[in-house]
Amino acid sequence: AQKVTQAQTEISVVEKEDVTLDCVYETRDTTYYLFWYKQPPSGELVFLIRRNSFDEQNEISGRYSWNFQKSTSSFNFTITASQVVDSAVYFCALSDSSNSGYALNFGKGTSLLVTP
Amino acid sequence: TAGITQAPTSQILAAGRSMTLRCTQDMRHNAMYWYRQDLGLGLRLIHYSNTAGTTGKGEVPDGYSVSRANTDDFPLTLASAVPSQTSVYFCASSEKRGALTDTQYFGPGTRLTVL
Repeated sequence: AQKVTQAQTEISVVEKEDVTLDCVYETRDTTYYLFWYKQPPSGELVFLIRRNSFDEQNEISGRYSWNFQKSTSSFNFTITASQVVDSAVYFCALSDSSNSGYALNFGKGTSLLVTP
Repeated sequence: TAGITQAPTSQILAAGRSMTLRCTQDMRHNAMYWYRQDLGLGLRLIHYSNTAGTTGKGEVPDGYSVSRANTDDFPLTLASAVPSQTSVYFCASSEKRGALTDTQYFGPGTRLTVL
């Protein structure tokens, strides 16, 4: 069973638009961690954020913000005033006790294209 | 800072041949991981190591083996490559012994094509 669902396969926006990337997760644990990674066209995976299950406070970092809601098992990522450099594949991931070696269980990713 | 290095960057390999993908980290992280990335499937765990001298199987371990002789290196070996192993391989590491709070940092990846 898929533990992390990113329902949006591809999103295309025009520069300066706001965009939200959805992430829904599934876990039986009360203690777990959620992550977002960015994979730009160059291919590397860049860590963006880590959030533990006990901290539902929303986080903002510049144009990036994250909305964690345990009631809906969601950890959504919003980019405000998108820029061309935001074009990338974004992965949501979950770490809980069921993962081998506490490895990350990734969603399939959302490809974001920001056009000028 | 180097972080995690992987070699080679890319490789074309004939089916049936063996190959070792190299991964080295300079952060003295205890835990290391190998993932493969396939289009439409995201990243899937192949093998992991919580500390030097120990390894474990992930979601897709068949056809792969690993070793962890020391803290810094975590090579991935394909004993007899098959076309389905065509993928991009990422090595990652995290500071603690696979603790739930760890952030994993990734290497640049190795693109492998098996023909």
